[in-house]
Amino acid sequence: GENVEQHPSTLSVQEGDSAVIKCTYSDSASNYFPWYKQELGKRPQLIIDIRSNVGEKKDQRIAVTLNKTAKHFSLHITETQPEDSAVYFCAASLNAGGTSYGKLTFGQGTILTVHP
Amino acid sequence: GAGVSQSPSNKVTEKGKDVELRCDPISGHTALYWYRQSLGQGLEFLIYFQGNSAPDKSGLPSDRFSAERTGGSVSTLTIQRTQQEDSAVYLCASSNRQGNQPQHFGDGTRLSIL
Repeated sequence: GENVEQHPSTLSVQEGDSAVIKCTYSDSASNYFPWYKQELGKRPQLIIDIRSNVGEKKDQRIAVTLNKTAKHFSLHITETQPEDSAVYFCAASLNAGGTSYGKLTFGQGTILTVHP
Repeated sequence: GAGVSQSPSNKVTEKGKDVELRCDPISGHTALYWYRQSLGQGLEFLIYFQGNSAPDKSGLPSDRFSAERTGGSVSTLTIQRTQQEDSAVYLCASSNRQGNQPQHFGDGTRLSIL
């Protein structure tokens, strides 16, 4: 089955700096890669996702890049703010068209701390 | 409701008791997933329902775990003869089957086994 590795496990940055979190996956058939932000005691919230037919997607300060050949994808947060502090999870799944299977395999998470 | 709703939000029970956790997905979402999140860990897939198809139970850790989804909407996850290692947050997510749609999570049920 799919295996997702996520690094680093903790990341500390100063406000305004950029943060990068990296994930690798094992199943070359995976084609959907979401990123979730989870604040303490709250539900995971989808912040951005990318499908395997594109290499990069951007939404304001957040971007995700995907390298299918190397089987890795990364989350980039620019101009970090204290409210970006949370645990971030990457995930991978196979959405087989009409069957839309979608079982997510998650990385272990990255605790991001943004210092004012 | 607007989002995925789970109940109870917290459940404390004694080892050996049975528990039932409930998930009400977003209206119109045909796919429903259960995940488990142990303290400080990532999310672990448990079971998946899609419409009237047979569920994918490949993530259930033991035969003490079961789930059903009645009428294609509300789902119940049941854990029989609970053990301390069952303590975790149980999260439910739903998505729209129409194409590759993202999963939206509920707030979860925090289960504590004494």
